[in-house]
Amino acid sequence: DQQVKQNSPSLSVQEGRISILNCDYTNSMFDYFLWYKKYPAEGPTFLISISSIKDKNEDGRFTVFLNKSAKHLSLHIVPSQPGDSAVYFCAASAAGTYKYIFGTGTRLKVLA
Amino acid sequence: DAGVIQSPRHEVTEMGQEVTLRCKPISGHNSLFWYRQTMMRGLELLIYFNNNVPIDDSGMPEDRFSAKMPNASFSTLKIQPSEPRDSAVYFCASSPGTRTGSNQPQHFGDGTRLSIL
Repeated sequence: DQQVKQNSPSLSVQEGRISILNCDYTNSMFDYFLWYKKYPAEGPTFLISISSIKDKNEDGRFTVFLNKSAKHLSLHIVPSQPGDSAVYFCAASAAGTYKYIFGTGTRLKVLA
Repeated sequence: DAGVIQSPRHEVTEMGQEVTLRCKPISGHNSLFWYRQTMMRGLELLIYFNNNVPIDDSGMPEDRFSAKMPNASFSTLKIQPSEPRDSAVYFCASSPGTRTGSNQPQHFGDGTRLSIL
């Protein structure tokens, strides 16, 4: 039973446009969510996080939105750049725990 | 700043051999995690240490796998004997998080790509 799902294995976007990556979760105990970016032959790099007390968190070109009632979060990248081409993982954890549950990732390709 | 350092980056060995993967966490981080990434199962947690003590090893696949953290700056993951199905990328991560979690992101090393022939 996959508690964190990224249903789109891949996404292609033109440079300068918006990239929207989606993530759904099933466990209502999750209260902290993160996005990681991963380039080939490197480890995942932390990108942005959001606590369940918020519905939006922004960091430069990256914004994460959280819809608790729908158990859905999304990552918006505006404007998209070729260097953003990578695999993006969402992860979730429950209060009082250390364990992250990762989604299976979405491969983003930004076309120049 | 030095990140999480893993060695070796690549390991190719024959079935039945002992494999030792190494990790140096970020200085000052008191939580350390070992993950395995495969196509079938994605990124899965194998074991978690806090202050050098193993807290949760429920993800360790079987007795052939063992992990140690003799001090705050070093951890090993050992597979003995290794099998072809152990082939995967193994990541180590560290965080300043507390034992019960403190919403601190984990920082990953670049992984060890392990191939068992």
